[in-house]
Amino acid sequence: EPEVTQTPSHQVTQMGQEVILRCVPISNHLYFYWYRQILGQKVEFLVSFYNNEISEKSEIFDDQFSVERPDGSNFTLKIRSTKLEDSAMYFCASKGDVYTEAFFGQGTRLTVV
Amino acid sequence: QQQVKQSPQSLIVQKGGISIINCAYENTAFDYFPWYQQFPGKGPALLIAIRPDVSEKKEGRFTISFNKSAKQFSLHIMDSQPGDSATYFCASISPGNQFYFGTGTSLTVIP
Repeated sequence: EPEVTQTPSHQVTQMGQEVILRCVPISNHLYFYWYRQILGQKVEFLVSFYNNEISEKSEIFDDQFSVERPDGSNFTLKIRSTKLEDSAMYFCASKGDVYTEAFFGQGTRLTVV
Repeated sequence: QQQVKQSPQSLIVQKGGISIINCAYENTAFDYFPWYQQFPGKGPALLIAIRPDVSEKKEGRFTISFNKSAKQFSLHIMDSQPGDSATYFCASISPGNQFYFGTGTSLTVIP
């Protein structure tokens, strides 16, 4: 069964450092998302990406965040200068078209120290 | 603004009982309503979903009831099992394909 793959599963970084979270969406999917989930809290939308551009972003997704689909298979989330409050699980998701479900990856646990 | 309101925050049910989780949405433009199940340390996984032209959808022990006029939908888990213990998120999807998640319900099924 096709799945969304995220790497690494856990990343620890020092405050102020840049991190790149990587995702390999399902191969024929067209819509891509990043979400985050602070421990014990709800899943929060960060950004959606379609046709090689951001289609929508939340207020969480400020200038410190960027996304890229560099090679047609990977979908990355970059945080330029991490803050303690960026510590969370980050989930990537992809979907094939408008009325299909989104498939989520297993998540990357980011810990900023 | 909380686009999707979910209740209860936590739920404890005896094995064999019925678990009911409710959601209400704000935007009438939402046109797809999935429920996700999440186990600790895992990503959300789609459980069941409904479109607004249908009032009820049943898949095995899981049923979504949808009330378009009230802008509410609920998940019913019949014959709840300990393996159903997880966090459940409802979601609403806008025509622009953005997911709005509810705040989650932590379900514990007691053997």
